[in-house]
Amino acid sequence: AQKITQTQPGMFVQEKEAVTLDCTYDTSDQSYGLFWYKQPSSGEMIFLIYQGSYDEQNATEGRYSLNFQKARKSANLVISASQLGDSAMYFCAMREGLHGANQAGTALIFGKGTTLSVSS
Amino acid sequence: DSGVTQTPKHLITATGQRVTLRCSPRSGDLSVYWYQQSLDQGLQFLIHYYNGEERAKGNILERFSAQQFPDLHSELNLSSLELGDSALYFCASSGPSREGTEAFFGQGTRLTVV
Repeated sequence: AQKITQTQPGMFVQEKEAVTLDCTYDTSDQSYGLFWYKQPSSGEMIFLIYQGSYDEQNATEGRYSLNFQKARKSANLVISASQLGDSAMYFCAMREGLHGANQAGTALIFGKGTTLSVSS
Repeated sequence: DSGVTQTPKHLITATGQRVTLRCSPRSGDLSVYWYQQSLDQGLQFLIHYYNGEERAKGNILERFSAQQFPDLHSELNLSSLELGDSALYFCASSGPSREGTEAFFGQGTRLTVV
């Protein structure tokens, strides 16, 4: 079973509008982290926002916010006031096994991504 | 700039050949992760090294191997290359914290096997 599911292969939005990119996850861990990364056409992976499983408040970073619904196991990314430069691929990712004895950390598990196109 | 350096940026090689991809993590980061991004498989975790030791393996082929050196830089070796190995290979590093530390990604090495 997929651990991270992004059901929207592509999304289209007009400049200045808000858009929500969906992400659901599957884990039996109590302590985990959820991440969103942006990959523009140039290829680099840019970190956007992080939400820990024990964080009570939804994470926000500028125009990005993460709508975290733990019971539903969803971690949707909301981009407010879209800009042309937001056109890119967006990946949701999860890191399991936090706060454990493993100080080395664990790898990120990625979804298949959503392509966002912003038009003027 | 993430602080993670990957070389080379582009690599074109023939089937059957062997290549080495290099990664220098951010200063102070002990963990290095390698990922492969291809059109059909998406972003897949290959292998994780922490302070010179292998810590976890993902979907890494037996033809692929990696190591992390005492100065913490890492190399990913790909041998007996096939057309299907053409992909973008990322290295990421993160700090030693147990928290949900973000992984900082390098620019990637785009490998084309012809």
